Amino acid sequence: SQKIEQNSEALNIQEGKTATLTCNYTNYSPAYLQWYRQDPGRGPVFLLLIRENEKEKRKERLKVTFDTTLKQSLFHITASQPADSATYLCALDLMNYGGSQGNLIFGKGTKLSVKP
Amino acid sequence: DGGITQSPKYLFRKEGQNVTLSCEQNLNHDAMYWYRQDPGQGLRLIYYSQIVNDFQKGDIAEGYSVSREKKESFPLTVTSAQKNPTAFYLCASLRRGGKLFFGSGTQLSVL
Repeated sequence: SQKIEQNSEALNIQEGKTATLTCNYTNYSPAYLQWYRQDPGRGPVFLLLIRENEKEKRKERLKVTFDTTLKQSLFHITASQPADSATYLCALDLMNYGGSQGNLIFGKGTKLSVKP
Repeated sequence: DGGITQSPKYLFRKEGQNVTLSCEQNLNHDAMYWYRQDPGQGLRLIYYSQIVNDFQKGDIAEGYSVSREKKESFPLTVTSAQKNPTAFYLCASLRRGGKLFFGSGTQLSVL
């Protein structure tokens, strides 16, 4: 069956450290992979998108990698801060399967807590 | 500022009742989406619309209905046929490049 998994339900780290979140998938060949941030009681907010032919994408303290051989994406937050505490969702875009653009497959999310 | 407005923020449904969740956007986006989020679960697609007067079922459309009479509006009706409606409902529209822009959600609970 087709699955998308975010390895940890929760991740606790100390302020200043690098947080690394993992997203694995099986039986998909996504054209894009996206990461979103969701705060409690709010809608997700788009952070980064990486294409299947890109290995790495950076934005300020955020870095995403995409390994289509391993079927895995890693999401890193460097120099983490308590304000980074939130749930982070990965999502696959199966455009190349003829799906509707924007019809994303979401993981369950990883709840990150950064302690001061 | 452009954005998506979902209302109400909290909604309670009595058994056998239909309720409608509002979603309005002023972003001039063509495509709009409804997702359902349950605690500890990923977002699941209910319905989507790529253009006015057209919409498609998502993965869990049973017990729900939508309309798209105007570009700005994509209301979702939770019908009495939906036996487990308690969830957080998210409306989204499609930005350039395949990225979704979400509203702030409606929490629906059953009385």
